[in-house]
Amino acid sequence: GAVVSQHPSWVICKSGTSVKIECRSLDFQATTMFWYRQFPKQSLMLMATSNEGSKATYEQGVEKDKFLINHASLTLSTLTVTSAHPEDSSFYICSARRGAEIREQYFGPGTRLTVT
Amino acid sequence: TQLLEQSPQFLSIQEGENLTVYCNSSSVFSSLQWYRQEPGEGPVLLVTVVTGGEVKKLKRLTFQFGDARKDSSLHITAAQTGDTGLYLCAGGSGNQGGKLIFGQGTELSVKP
Repeated sequence: GAVVSQHPSWVICKSGTSVKIECRSLDFQATTMFWYRQFPKQSLMLMATSNEGSKATYEQGVEKDKFLINHASLTLSTLTVTSAHPEDSSFYICSARRGAEIREQYFGPGTRLTVT
Repeated sequence: TQLLEQSPQFLSIQEGENLTVYCNSSSVFSSLQWYRQEPGEGPVLLVTVVTGGEVKKLKRLTFQFGDARKDSSLHITAAQTGDTGLYLCAGGSGNQGGKLIFGQGTELSVKP
């Protein structure tokens, strides 16, 4: 199979602090990972594309200084929400692409972030 | 920019009824995928279609890819309460830098 994990599954933090979310491909190497944000009962919104060993590519309207992405290895990408505010509260989902095929994308279980 | 229009966005039906969800685009996709997502979980892949005119069946679910590979549909026969969830279509194209393009999602509620 192709399993992607995320850690933590949920996190509560205080306004102004930073929080890091990890995305790991457990049984395959992923040169490309994707980070999505999702609001209740809505579709996934792509935030950024993370490529191993290079800078992430952010979608229009996503603040790269606020959402720091690091793809340090072929099995790990991290998303750090810096100086979090209540409006950053959301469900964050990562996916990892196995190989070159676009459809070979496998999703993590998501991380629920609540900023108080 | 490629877009996928998914409809309807909300659907509430009784158990036993049939339903169809549509995904339409003016652009061609090399592949199209359907996912089901439950609250608090990541999307789970149901099917991938890659050939124009392709029809795939997964128990009571039938998926179709349009001949021109611009649209797709998901038909559920005799819906059950366990089918309740968010259904998402997503298309892949080399024109989008390897990204998946998602439709708006369909929130399905099947009542007993």
